[in-house]
Amino acid sequence: QLQLQESGPGLVKPSETLSLTCTVSGTSISRTNYYWGWIRQTPGKGLEWIGNVYYTGSTNHSPSLKSRLTISVDTSKNQFSLRVTSVTAEDTAVYYCTRQLAVPGSPVEYWGQGTLVTVAS
Amino acid sequence: EIVLTQSPDFQSVTPKEKVTIACRASQSIGYALHWYQQKPNQSPKLLIRYASQSLSGVPSRFSGSGSGTDFTLTINGLEAEDAATYYCHQSSSLPHTFGQGTKLGIK
Repeated sequence: QLQLQESGPGLVKPSETLSLTCTVSGTSISRTNYYWGWIRQTPGKGLEWIGNVYYTGSTNHSPSLKSRLTISVDTSKNQFSLRVTSVTAEDTAVYYCTRQLAVPGSPVEYWGQGTLVTVAS
Repeated sequence: EIVLTQSPDFQSVTPKEKVTIACRASQSIGYALHWYQQKPNQSPKLLIRYASQSLSGVPSRFSGSGSGTDFTLTINGLEAEDAATYYCHQSSSLPHTFGQGTKLGIK
């Protein structure tokens, strides 16, 4: 049974860097044909796609976040990670890690339980 | 960026009633439209993929239709456990986007 588990600080100060890790269990992150991604949710903006990474390290990013965003994969730990620099209150959200087939047009099949990150001093 | 607009934003429904939720895309997305159900304090759950494909484990009262720019999620015979927020999602082009959500309340 595939499981995705987000981890990281729940509170980040403005202008600092948000860092989250997703630990994958029940399958190898190196399996071909899957994108491992991040989606966030806020009451104001709803669900927002952030980006994804293939096990090779190839990534896709949201244009609105691209300049502040790093998504990476660590196959040895079966984990992938998200970094968002220079955060503001607008980055306060529940962050989900996800899995999606690496086929154009595919849905998000699996979601982690989500982790709330609050940006505040 | 493709914008998805759902209607209505909120609907209060009686059990056993038929419910339809619409999702309109700002440009054609073929069949790359998926529906999710989210209950309070839970992550979204995939209900329908590729506009109309049912999934194992999802009750048969849920169905989807449409292509191009106009899509519909239908619940035939609403049950109390269907109280949730429903989202459409397009993965036709990057960045992937979601509708704003439709909250279903039970009368």
